[in-house]
Amino acid sequence: SQTIHQWPATLVQPVGSPLSLECTVEGTSNPNLYWYRQAAGRGLQLLFYSVGIGQISSEVPQNLSASRPQDRQFILSSKKLLLSDSGFYLCAWSVLSIKSSYNSPLHFGNGTRLTVT
Amino acid sequence: KNQVEQSPQSLIILEGKNCTLQCNYTVSPFSNLRWYKQDTGRGPVSLTIMTFSENTKSNGRYTATLDADTKQSSLHITASQLSDSASYICVVSANDMRFGAGTRLTVKP
Repeated sequence: SQTIHQWPATLVQPVGSPLSLECTVEGTSNPNLYWYRQAAGRGLQLLFYSVGIGQISSEVPQNLSASRPQDRQFILSSKKLLLSDSGFYLCAWSVLSIKSSYNSPLHFGNGTRLTVT
Repeated sequence: KNQVEQSPQSLIILEGKNCTLQCNYTVSPFSNLRWYKQDTGRGPVSLTIMTFSENTKSNGRYTATLDADTKQSSLHITASQLSDSASYICVVSANDMRFGAGTRLTVKP
């Protein structure tokens, strides 16, 4: 069966420090991978998605970047965190591209609660 | 303005009671609508998916309805349990996915 691992679960970082959140998927090949941010009282916001190794699409301009060094590994990074980067970050995978009509669900990790102080 | 609006924002019910959550959308064209359940501090998990031609679909004590003409969906929970306490998120798919802000349901004993 497929599983998705996301870590760390919680993170407190000072403003200006770097960030690296990691997500790995097991049990499937060539998944589509996503990073979402969830703010309280608002819907999930898509940050990045990837359809293959080294292929990253960004949905919104921001202080973050993403990389996919391996087929089932997705990393969210920042060189210098801002206070506004605080939030709940979710990694997800699916079997079909987000850009096409599809019926496959997103499978989410358990998220990382990031607090920038 | 969000193209997927959910109501109520929060809801408290007693264990054993039924409840209905609403999702109205303006997303067009429409491909499908999915309901997710998100436990506190966890990622969302898909409950059910509704396509254009489907009006009702059940998953255990969860029943989703869709009216594609009025662009409304509902999620009905029967005989609620404490474990139903969670946020329920409506997601409408067209050329991309649009997420509602969710309804926070609390079931009390």
